[in-house]
Amino acid sequence: GAGVSQSPSNKVTEKGKDVELRCDPISGHTALYWYRQSLGQGLEFLIYFQGNSAPDKSGLPSDRFSAERTGGSVSTLTIQRTQQEDSAVYLCASSLAGARNEQFFGPGTRLTVL
Amino acid sequence: GEDVEQSLFLSVREGDSSVINCTYTDSSSTYLYWYKQEPGAGLQLLTYIFSNMDMKQDQRLTVLLNKKDKHLSLRIADTQTGDSAIYFCAESTPNAGKSTFGDGTTLTVKP
Repeated sequence: GAGVSQSPSNKVTEKGKDVELRCDPISGHTALYWYRQSLGQGLEFLIYFQGNSAPDKSGLPSDRFSAERTGGSVSTLTIQRTQQEDSAVYLCASSLAGARNEQFFGPGTRLTVL
Repeated sequence: GEDVEQSLFLSVREGDSSVINCTYTDSSSTYLYWYKQEPGAGLQLLTYIFSNMDMKQDQRLTVLLNKKDKHLSLRIADTQTGDSAIYFCAESTPNAGKSTFGDGTTLTVKP
């Protein structure tokens, strides 16, 4: 595809359930990022993958959050035992390697935890 | 760690110029960016400036960089209602491999 895609676009879940959010980056982009954007808030960095290097997980808010990137392409963000404060828009971005870190963002997944 | 700060809101009248300001703390920043987020969408890169530049102009957009003060600004000339959006400032350093974003400035353009 031409851009970064994310699925689902909207997800409503009950408190305590697990959810999986998917990101398909632009083909050939070696770097992939997950961010969280709560209502009226800025971007909160969650995790960063670069090639085969160990991911930078420094932004994950708790051990309920994890992410994988299989085959250097598709990534899945998993939130276990969801809480109401997890409600937010989860944005994925990808970029080419290099100093000019222009990131291309997907449209996001809006997660609502009831 | 790195920090990027922006004012949260700006309101202007259609046809006026808008100036959105940003400060950052990392003196080793190499690229500085402005992203635009329209309602319900992801962020889209508007423009960027390399740290050895003072100014970059692209149609209605002018980016000014004061590296000494670590201050970046985005000027939008002849602001239109379609410019209403959230504007994010971001910086990256060579070794970090990722960008640090500000909290975004919500620009409201009134007719």
